[in-house]
Amino acid sequence: AQTVTQSQPEMSVQEAETVTLSCTYDTSESDYYLFWYKQPPSRQMILVIRQEAYKQQNATENRFSVNFQKAAKSFSLKISDSQLGDAAMYFCAYRKGGSEKLVFGKGTKLTVNP
Amino acid sequence: KAGVTQTPRYLIKTRGQQVTLSCSPISGHRSVSWYQQTPGQGLQFLFEYFSETQRNKGNFPGRFSGRQFSNSRSEMNVSTLELGDSALYLCASSIPSGNTDTQYFGPGTRLTVL
Repeated sequence: AQTVTQSQPEMSVQEAETVTLSCTYDTSESDYYLFWYKQPPSRQMILVIRQEAYKQQNATENRFSVNFQKAAKSFSLKISDSQLGDAAMYFCAYRKGGSEKLVFGKGTKLTVNP
Repeated sequence: KAGVTQTPRYLIKTRGQQVTLSCSPISGHRSVSWYQQTPGQGLQFLFEYFSETQRNKGNFPGRFSGRQFSNSRSEMNVSTLELGDSALYLCASSIPSGNTDTQYFGPGTRLTVL
């Protein structure tokens, strides 16, 4: 079975600085997708960024970028120029190709200090 | 375009009762997935429906069931409620369009079992 591990239950960062959240996963599949979702307190879960396993280039979305190391099965999220609105739970998720089922990590609570 | 909506947003039930939660996907989305979120177990996949058929099911007891209607709206039912069923229940919708689709989450239904 596929598993996703987020080893940092909590992280903090100063406003305007950079922070990296870690995620590792385990799968024997070759066709899969990786995601980072953000869940602000009492608010909706939203997609931050996605990465297709077949793409070597790391995905970027404005201040958010990933470091996808396929051989190491590592998928970290870098947030640059952190803003107060980035404070949230961040979940790493895995989806096998052809399936809608997401497998989530336990999450990392990110605090942004002014 | 309206997002994923879930009703009700909050529910309080007692042990032994049953409950029905509703999810309306984004217009045009035909796949609906359900997840249970608890502090201890995190986010766990319940089941996924596409074109009124259950395509995938997580590891939950038979007390958890669901269905999807012809307009893609979905309901999930939990019978004989237990204290451990207290959780945030999230639904997510997607088109799907092969492997390129993204799942969009609703705000969730907070179920408390007393």
